[in-house]
Amino acid sequence: ELKVEQNPLFLSMQEGKNYTIYCNYSTTSDRLYWYRQDPGKSLESLFVLLSNGAVKQEGRLMASLDTKARLSTLHITAAVHDLSATYFCALPQAVDDKIIFGKGTRLHILP
Amino acid sequence: KAGVTQTPRYLIKTRGQQVTLSCSPISGHRSVSWYQQTPGQGLQFLFEYFSETQRNKGNFPGRFSGRQFSNSRSEMNVSTLELGDSALYLCASSLIGQSFQFFGPGTRLTVL
Repeated sequence: ELKVEQNPLFLSMQEGKNYTIYCNYSTTSDRLYWYRQDPGKSLESLFVLLSNGAVKQEGRLMASLDTKARLSTLHITAAVHDLSATYFCALPQAVDDKIIFGKGTRLHILP
Repeated sequence: KAGVTQTPRYLIKTRGQQVTLSCSPISGHRSVSWYQQTPGQGLQFLFEYFSETQRNKGNFPGRFSGRQFSNSRSEMNVSTLELGDSALYLCASSLIGQSFQFFGPGTRLTVL
């Protein structure tokens, strides 16, 4: 069964700093998703990564995928308060395509 | 294009009752998935429907069921509610099962 681990689970950081959220997964998968969730709200799709070495960027967020290491990263550049949210990575399980989510990284950016 | 809509947004029920939640996908999307989100268990996959057929089912008891109609709208039903069923229930739609999912606002169910 696919296991998805995110770290850190909680992160408090200052505005203007850079940081990286890690998503490790246990078995091969053909794609990986990143989502954002604001408190009390639903999930917003950020990125889908489809191949080894894929890199996607949107504003201050950049996601990458290393399928050999079974690792995806979400890098935050020069963080701003508006990026405070919980970020989830998710992948489909190869055997049955069920989407498995990580526990999420709660990011709090201090103004 | 209108997003995914879910009704009702909030629901309070008592133990033993049953509940039906509704999800209308984005127009043209034929795949609908349901998730349960709780603070303890996180986001857990319930089931996925595509063209009125259940493609996948998560590890939930038989009290949880769903269906999809010919217009791609989906409903999920929970019978004999338990306190532990209190959660945010999220519906997501996509063009086909493997593409980017778009989530609805969720239905927050409280079981007393």
